[in-house]
Order: sequence, then C-alpha cells, then structure tokens
Amino acid sequence: GAGVSQSPRYKVAKRGQDVALRCDPISGHVSLFWYQQALGQGPEFLTYFQNEAQLDKSGLPSDRFFAERPEGSVSTLKIQRTQQEDSAVYLCASTPSPKPETQYFGPGTRLLVL
Amino acid sequence: QKEVEQNSGPLSVPEGAIASLNCTYSDRGSQSFFWYRQYSGKSPELIMSIYSNGDKEDGRFTAQLNKASQYVSLLIRDSQPSDSATYLCAVLNAGNNRKLIWGLGTSLAVNP
Repeated sequence: GAGVSQSPRYKVAKRGQDVALRCDPISGHVSLFWYQQALGQGPEFLTYFQNEAQLDKSGLPSDRFFAERPEGSVSTLKIQRTQQEDSAVYLCASTPSPKPETQYFGPGTRLLVL
Repeated sequence: QKEVEQNSGPLSVPEGAIASLNCTYSDRGSQSFFWYRQYSGKSPELIMSIYSNGDKEDGRFTAQLNKASQYVSLLIRDSQPSDSATYLCAVLNAGNNRKLIWGLGTSLAVNP
C-alpha cells in the first residue's frame, strides 16, 4: 500500500502567518510521530500520538505549535504566528504498533518562514 | 552534553573499503538502538536495529552494541558510492514515552 504522505511538500510563509501541515500515515498504523529537522541536524521529537490520544507533546517548542489527530488517522501540525526560527523540515512517521522502532517516515514538509 | 552523540564527519572512504560509524549515548537504561540512513533532501530510512550486546549482521551492514561502554557502531563493508549519505543514530528513550532520541548524524562519502 501507499507509504506515509505529507502535504504540502514545500511551504513558504511570511513571518506571523499561520500554517497547517498534514500527515497521512500508513493505513492502520497506531502510532504517529512529528519531528522537526533543521538543516544539518538530526530530527528533534515534537509530539507523539497513539491512535487519537496525544501521549507526549514535550517536544513542541512553544504554545504556537499545536498538533491533533482527531480520528486516529490523519494528523495536522499547526504553527501559529510563524517565526523565522520555525524554518525547518517537518517529518511525520508512523508505526504499526505502539513500539516506535519500526518508524516509516513521510517525505517531509520543508517550511521556509521569511 | 547531547544525549546521543555522533561525529559529524564528513567521513570519506574509498569504494570497497569498510566504513565505521560510531555513536555514544548517555542514558544507561536505553534498550533499543537504531541506525537510519538519510540521503540529501530525503527522509530517514531504517537500516539496522539492535537490542542486545554484540554484533548483528545484515548483508553488508553490521551493527555493534556495547551497553557497558554506552556505544553503538555501524560497519559498512564493501562501501559503494550509493552508500554516500548521512547516517543517523537513534536511541529509544528508557522511559514510558517511547520517543527516539537522535544524534546529529555522520556524513559519509564513498569515493569511486
């Protein structure tokens, strides 16, 4: 079947603009993770869902970041009042079980805030 | 000190050589360790996982884990130019929140 998909693939936002990033996990995958990856860095954990429950949001850098997965499938990461430091690639990964090790990554959304 | 540390490289090896990538971690209670490969502009893909001390081999790849010394390594035998990528070490947080802690990655260049 299809892999993890993310949209948009690229987003250019003006500073202060709100953005919404979408992740479609592999069908039936229980767990979903959001990561932020800055240029030349490893992924940084943002938040984790098991089905519709957000079990860990400790990595969200500020209250401008909000994530949801209301029906336990598609997830949206919303960033309000974007800042230049929000520029990064946002990666979504899903796993078939609560265990995170078999993570399947989407292609990412590259966000540039001007 | 970062929780997971890797040399950023670049590590440059000739085609056919063995590439050795190293990773150290700070959480002694960590149980699961992973190596991901990331090509430029692409997302990470899992290439090896290891959970027990010792070696685990899969084709040209061998992961080595030493929990007492808190390091995990990845050996790539008969390196090919297509192996040129960034290799990310990830460690499963030894708690209940199940998040992976990532290193910064080591850039590998295999020269023909």
